[in-house]
Amino acid sequence: KAGVTQTPRYLIKTRGQQVTLSCSPISGHRSVSWYQQTPGQGLQFLFEYFSETQRNKGNFPGRFSGRQFSNSRSEMNVSTLELGDSALYLCASSFDRGSSYEQYFGPGTRLTVT
Amino acid sequence: GENVEQHPSTLSVQEGDSAVIKCTYSDSASNYFPWYKQELGKRPQLIIDIRSNVGEKKDQRIAVTLNKTAKHFSLHITETQPEDSAVYFCAAGSSGNQFYFGTGTSLTVIP
Repeated sequence: KAGVTQTPRYLIKTRGQQVTLSCSPISGHRSVSWYQQTPGQGLQFLFEYFSETQRNKGNFPGRFSGRQFSNSRSEMNVSTLELGDSALYLCASSFDRGSSYEQYFGPGTRLTVT
Repeated sequence: GENVEQHPSTLSVQEGDSAVIKCTYSDSASNYFPWYKQELGKRPQLIIDIRSNVGEKKDQRIAVTLNKTAKHFSLHITETQPEDSAVYFCAAGSSGNQFYFGTGTSLTVIP
């Protein structure tokens, strides 16, 4: 079974621009969570989508948004980029049925805002 | 919401020694506690997890213990090897809810 994939792997954007990141979960997984990872802040939860609905949301500003498609693929969008948005963005997928809700991470998208 | 604290932030051990990383959580509703290993430049990888109906789980050199009453859980690595060097994250959560991660422990195994 293929693992979680994310595209693009690296991205350089200018302050004020917007960016869209993509995550394809493991086949059969219905839940996709997004995290921001920075050296000083660890893994910060952005939001989680389950069956095309946002089920959980972290404490990030409205500039961060996401969606999930019927095939469970998910996208994350950041508008009006700020220098502080530079980070590794990780998505994680989970089957989330019964007792099976382990999360498996993708390789991440390294976003640099200049 | 949940609050997960992880200690120590850095840990150095001699090869062959044991390493212990401890986490505490605040929300008694949390019933699932995974541990992730992240090597430099790589994704976090799930290495072991434990659920609230179990007190201890072991997988070769790695074990996790859970004390629900005290709301803390620990990762134990025995006979450490240089390839165990990485950042380890604990997390707490439950089905249908977000996972809360600790701030990570950078483990260095000295050959």
